[in-house]
Amino acid sequence: NAGVTQTPKFQVLKTGQSMTLQCAQDMNHNSMYWYRQDPGMGLRLIYYSASEGTTDKGEVPNGYNVSRLNKREFSLRLESAAPSQTSVYFCASSELANYGYTFGSGTRLTVV
Amino acid sequence: TQLLEQSPQFLSIQEGENLTVYCNSSSVFSSLQWYRQEPGEGPVLLVTVVTGGEVKKLKRLTFQFGDARKDSSLHITAAQPGDTGLYLCAGISGSRLTFGEGTQLTVNP
Repeated sequence: NAGVTQTPKFQVLKTGQSMTLQCAQDMNHNSMYWYRQDPGMGLRLIYYSASEGTTDKGEVPNGYNVSRLNKREFSLRLESAAPSQTSVYFCASSELANYGYTFGSGTRLTVV
Repeated sequence: TQLLEQSPQFLSIQEGENLTVYCNSSSVFSSLQWYRQEPGEGPVLLVTVVTGGEVKKLKRLTFQFGDARKDSSLHITAAQPGDTGLYLCAGISGSRLTFGEGTQLTVNP
């Protein structure tokens, strides 16, 4: 099925460990996004990529880095995980914002 | 930072009741979207409203965009257990979405 695929679905990290969250879309969308979702705070934008080769900071970029590997793939890296980064992470893609975003099913990350 | 406030934050009703969820901002948005999210899944787009005063209907769901394009409402008629989920509004400015905190709706049989 066409859509956005995120891996892994679940991950537990120790404080200070690093990891990369993977995201791939097969809809030929130009724009891709990383959000985190915390209770009572909605979805907050971490980084986005308006097109292949470009990335920009969102609302909460500290502690994260991203790579737009090609048009399909957009990864999110935590270099040194902290308990405050415990969250559910969603990747999304879109062609035009007015057409809506297509979201992946999320990665639930716990940092202990 | 453009903020979107949703109310109520939580809503628990019985099957067959009607309900309205509100999304308010002090900022003007070019358009606004509503998404529904189920546990363990990402949000799924329900509707986009573009014109001030616009009303769109999706079966038992009615969406309205305020005249000044700063607020929106979602009305559900005769709610069913299948309507249970987290409802999110999102304002569009440029190419980016700003999401509200969401309204968690539970419809009890």
